[in-house]
Amino acid sequence: EADIYQTPRYLVIGTGKKITLECSQTMGHDKMYWYQQDPGMELHLIHYSYGVNSTEKGDLSSESTVSRIRTEHFPLTLESARPSHTSQYLCASSERQGWQETQYFGPGTRLLVL
Amino acid sequence: AQKITQTQPGMFVQEKEAVTLDCTYDTSDPSYGLFWYKQPSSGEMIFLIYQGSYDQQNATEGRYSLNFQKARKSANLVISASQLGDSAMYFCAMREASTKNSGGYQKVTFGTGTKLQVIP
Repeated sequence: EADIYQTPRYLVIGTGKKITLECSQTMGHDKMYWYQQDPGMELHLIHYSYGVNSTEKGDLSSESTVSRIRTEHFPLTLESARPSHTSQYLCASSERQGWQETQYFGPGTRLLVL
Repeated sequence: AQKITQTQPGMFVQEKEAVTLDCTYDTSDPSYGLFWYKQPSSGEMIFLIYQGSYDQQNATEGRYSLNFQKARKSANLVISASQLGDSAMYFCAMREASTKNSGGYQKVTFGTGTKLQVIP
């Protein structure tokens, strides 16, 4: 089971501000992910990384950017927050074990942009 | 077609009773994995149980079991002896081996979820 952390848990911020959502994991997993989830809805992948210095866009287009300078750290940045960015952001990591590769999630960040 | 279909937006169950949450999937890939996650109102996604497409037996984890019917492409979650703490959203998800890219990433598709409420 992964230990994966996200900060802040809740963030209320004004339009136009730059924000960074932090995600870190202590299990040494190579693969990490960012999902966006509106209340009561399914998860949509916005970014993923399969190792240091690798990042890829997910299925849902997002104005956010990510970086992966260290294995354990996968921050997400919004240069200029807008009300349309209001959502929950979930970070996950995974490691393959035989046939099984399970994603383990952090507690999430609930973002409200006013 | 939807990759993962959860037809029950909401379910009620009496405490201590068993409940089945439905999940059907669509894939032509012979190698895939099915997952169930629990999401309480606090927001975190908690991994519950996994079933591989080649697994001969249904997966079980404590009070959770997965009723895997491969021919019907269904992977229903059964929760036995429901507890008040089981009240949450439950998401079914699928990973398909054929979606693996050069970096080893295999796409995971989530369903729309089922909201379970356990009644005292």
